[in-house]
Amino acid sequence: EPEVTQTPSHQVTQMGQEVILRCVPISNHLYFYWYRQILGQKVEFLVSFYNNEISEKSEIFDDQFSVERPDGSNFTLKIRSTKLEDSAMYFCASGPDRNTEAFFGQGTRLTVV
Amino acid sequence: GQNIDQPTEMTATEGAIVQINCTYQTSGFNGLFWYQQHAGEAPTFLSYNVLDGLEEKGRFSSFLSRSKGYSYLLLKELQMKDSASYLCAVRVMDTGRRALTFGSGTRLQVQP
Repeated sequence: EPEVTQTPSHQVTQMGQEVILRCVPISNHLYFYWYRQILGQKVEFLVSFYNNEISEKSEIFDDQFSVERPDGSNFTLKIRSTKLEDSAMYFCASGPDRNTEAFFGQGTRLTVV
Repeated sequence: GQNIDQPTEMTATEGAIVQINCTYQTSGFNGLFWYQQHAGEAPTFLSYNVLDGLEEKGRFSSFLSRSKGYSYLLLKELQMKDSASYLCAVRVMDTGRRALTFGSGTRLQVQP
């Protein structure tokens, strides 16, 4: 069964450093998403991406965040200067169209120290 | 904005039936989703309702009443592996926004 894959599974970084979280969405999906979940809290939407551009973003997705689809398979989330409060599980998701469910990857646990 | 409420925790017995409720207040409602999330894992899609009524899928059923802003997830013949958090999420179509807004989740503990 096709799945969304994310790497790395766990990333530890120092405050102020840049991190890139990588995702390979399901191959025939057109809509891509990043969500995050701070430990013990709800899943929060960050950004959605369609047709090589951001289609919507939340208040959380400020200038320190960016997304890119550098080739036909990868979808990345970059955090330019990490803060302690960026520590969370980051989930990539993809969907075949905008009206159906999103399939989530296993997540990258980001720890900022 | 959107507001989604669901109970924080529930406990049920193996083999029993449990109903997890979700109420929401939104504008431009465009569908309600239920996801299952085991601790430390990704959310897994369970069901999707956009029209009123009951959707059944094996041991899991989901109900929606749009006029009441209410949904429930029904789990039958509970198994120990059903111990997880159950996330209610809505899709709203105002200003073109289509991403999901999640509730805080209901942590279900299934006991022998």
